[in-house]
Amino acid sequence: NAGVTQTPKFQVLKTGQSMTLQCAQDMNHNSMYWYRQDPGMGLRLIYYSASEGTTDKGEVPNGYNVSRLNKREFSLRLESAAPSQTSVYFCASRRYTGTGGIRGNQPQHFGDGTRLSIL
Amino acid sequence: DAKTTQPTSMDCAEGRAANLPCNHSTISGNEYVYWYRQIHSQGPQYIIHGLKNNETNEMASLIITEDRKSSTLILPHATLRDTAVYYCIVITGNQFYFGTGTSLTVIP
Repeated sequence: NAGVTQTPKFQVLKTGQSMTLQCAQDMNHNSMYWYRQDPGMGLRLIYYSASEGTTDKGEVPNGYNVSRLNKREFSLRLESAAPSQTSVYFCASRRYTGTGGIRGNQPQHFGDGTRLSIL
Repeated sequence: DAKTTQPTSMDCAEGRAANLPCNHSTISGNEYVYWYRQIHSQGPQYIIHGLKNNETNEMASLIITEDRKSSTLILPHATLRDTAVYYCIVITGNQFYFGTGTSLTVIP
C-alpha cells in the first residue's frame, strides 16, 4: 500500500519551461489536493478536486493548471515556469463526502513532495 | 485569512508532556479541528481531529474547550523524534488552511 506517490521528487527548470507534476493515490479517495510550501511558511492550497471530473481553485491558483485524470491520479501543470514558482509541492488525498460527522470528515494523506527549482 | 492562531515556537523536555495550544475563536458549529505535524520537509503527517469531544489516539490527545474557541494538543511523553512543526487547522468544507504552525523542539 503506497499511499500517495508523487513524481518526480526533484526537478530543475529554466524560466519559461513547462512541466507536469504527477500524483497518484491507491486509497480509493475521492478528493485530491495540490499544495505549495515556500521556505518558513505553511502549505498553501493551489487546486483541489473534490471528486473525479471536478476541479476548483484554492488560495494560489495563478500560473497553474490541473487535471483529474481518473479517480487515482491528479496532475499539476506549470505552463511557463517562473522563479516565483520555486517551491516544494505536495499532493494529498482524502475521503470526503460532505455529509458531516466522522465518516464524512477524514484526514488528508500526503505524498513526500516534489522539490522544484526554477532558474 | 487565518482561522487559527498558534505560538510560533515552543520547547519541551524529553519525557515530559508537550502541550500545544491553538486558538480558533471564529470556528463554526460544524467545523472540525485537525492537527498535523511536519518533520523537516517531509509531507505533513496526520495526528488527530475532533469536533467538540476530547479525543485520544496512539499518538496524542486533543482537548477542545467547551465553547470550542480553543484546543490543546497533548503529546504525553515527548521524544526527540517529536521535534517538528505542528499545525492546527480548522476545516471549511473541503479546503484545509495550514497557517505557519508551532515549531516544537524537544530538548534532551
